[in-house]
Amino acid sequence: NAGVTQTPKFRILKIGQSMTLQCTQDMNHNYMYWYRQDPGMGLKLIYYSVGAGITDKGEVPNGYNVSRSTTEDFPLRLELAAPSQTSVYFCASSPGPGSPSFYGYTFGSGTRLTVV
Amino acid sequence: AQKITQTQPGMFVQEKEAVTLDCTYDTSDPSYGLFWYKQPSSGEMIFLIYQGSYDQQNATEGRYSLNFQKARKSANLVISASQLGDSAMYFCAMREGPGSNDYKLSFGAGTTVTVRA
Repeated sequence: NAGVTQTPKFRILKIGQSMTLQCTQDMNHNYMYWYRQDPGMGLKLIYYSVGAGITDKGEVPNGYNVSRSTTEDFPLRLELAAPSQTSVYFCASSPGPGSPSFYGYTFGSGTRLTVV
Repeated sequence: AQKITQTQPGMFVQEKEAVTLDCTYDTSDPSYGLFWYKQPSSGEMIFLIYQGSYDQQNATEGRYSLNFQKARKSANLVISASQLGDSAMYFCAMREGPGSNDYKLSFGAGTTVTVRA
């Protein structure tokens, strides 16, 4: 099982450029999340999805967009990149309530993004 | 409002000694889960231990134990017999629910642990 796969692992963007961070999970999890982690800080929720076609904002959604057309994929789009978006981005998934392993969250290995 | 508070930015511990990492939380939901994650310098998030709000006993996983004091809203992580490989950032996190719609994890700011030989 691959778990949660994020690509790319590293990326340098120029101010104003756009990019999509990819996230794919093969565990048939309904719940998926995007977090960002600034240096020396905890993770903050950007967006989440409770199933295909359903997404909602987290704590820090400004400057980002998401879509969830399939259960497996949850891409994060950065439009007009700004230096404040320099961070490490984690995608995570969870089976959600009703599952015996409800307490399990699986994280991807992260994408380190620098905006210059 | 801050839901998870970790007051220790950094700690040093001697190899083979035990260390306690503090975590307090804030919720009005009677059903919640508390998690600890380890983040080594390589960056990945490693799940360590879980405690449910209705669990009667404190959770243990190998050298990790969770000191759960519900009335004080405290969920401290105890690492026994510290090893050099325990040097990492440690995060406390909470999930509220099943009344919650998103079942997201809310994270504290983390504690950096450095194990000295």
